[in-house]
Amino acid sequence: SQKIEQNSEALNIQEGKTATLTCNYTNYSPAYLQWYRQDPGRGPVFLLLIRENEKEKRKERLKVTFDTTLKQSLFHITASQPADSATYLCALDDQTGANNLFFGTGTRLTVIP
Amino acid sequence: ETGVTQTPRHLVMGMTNKKSLKCEQHLGHNAMYWYKQSAKKPLELMFVYNFKEQTENNSVPSRFSPECPNSSHLFLHLHTLQPEDSALYLCASSQVGTNNEKLFFGSGTQLSVL
Repeated sequence: SQKIEQNSEALNIQEGKTATLTCNYTNYSPAYLQWYRQDPGRGPVFLLLIRENEKEKRKERLKVTFDTTLKQSLFHITASQPADSATYLCALDDQTGANNLFFGTGTRLTVIP
Repeated sequence: ETGVTQTPRHLVMGMTNKKSLKCEQHLGHNAMYWYKQSAKKPLELMFVYNFKEQTENNSVPSRFSPECPNSSHLFLHLHTLQPEDSALYLCASSQVGTNNEKLFFGSGTQLSVL
C-alpha cells in the first residue's frame, strides 16, 4: 500500500540551530514533492516544490533535498527562530497530471528560545 | 489571506441535520479540492474538480456530496453525518496544467458532529 511517513510527530530544537525533517514514501513514483507549513487553526501554506530530476532546492533559510532512489526528502531550516514553530507537511502527487496531492501526517516543530 | 475563503469557520451539527460548507477562490484557478484533516491522521483527499468536472472521489461515503457550480465556488453538502466525521475540512485550489502545481488552502471549517 502507499505510505508517506514523516520521521517524527514532534521535534524540539534550540533557536539558531538547523532543524531537519524527514519524509519517506513507499509505492509512489512522484513527479514532484512539496513541503507545506501549517499553523494551528489555519490551512497549510506552500513553501517549496522539488521535482524528480532535482536534487536540491533552496529558498532563503529553507533547503529541500529529494532522493528518488532512497524515496526520501529532507527539509532543513537553518538559523531556526521561534517563529518557525509550526507543523510541516510533505506532499506527493499521484502522477496523473491532475495535481492530486497526498500528504504525510506532519512533524510539529518547536523552536525553543 | 490565501485567496481561498471558507465558511463557516466552525460548525456544530446533529446527526440528523443537513448543512453545507462553502468555499470560494479568488485566484482564477481551474481546479478545486476538498480535504479532510483529523487529529493524528494525514490530510485525506476527498474530492477533486477540474474545470468544474469531478475527477476524483476517493471512496467518500455518500453522506458527503460535493457541488461545483462554477470554477470559483465549491460546496460540500453534509447529510446524516456520524460523530467520526468530526474534523477540519479544508478547501484548496490550484492551476492545473501550468507547471505550477502548488495548492492554496482556505482556513478550513472545524466540524463537530454530536
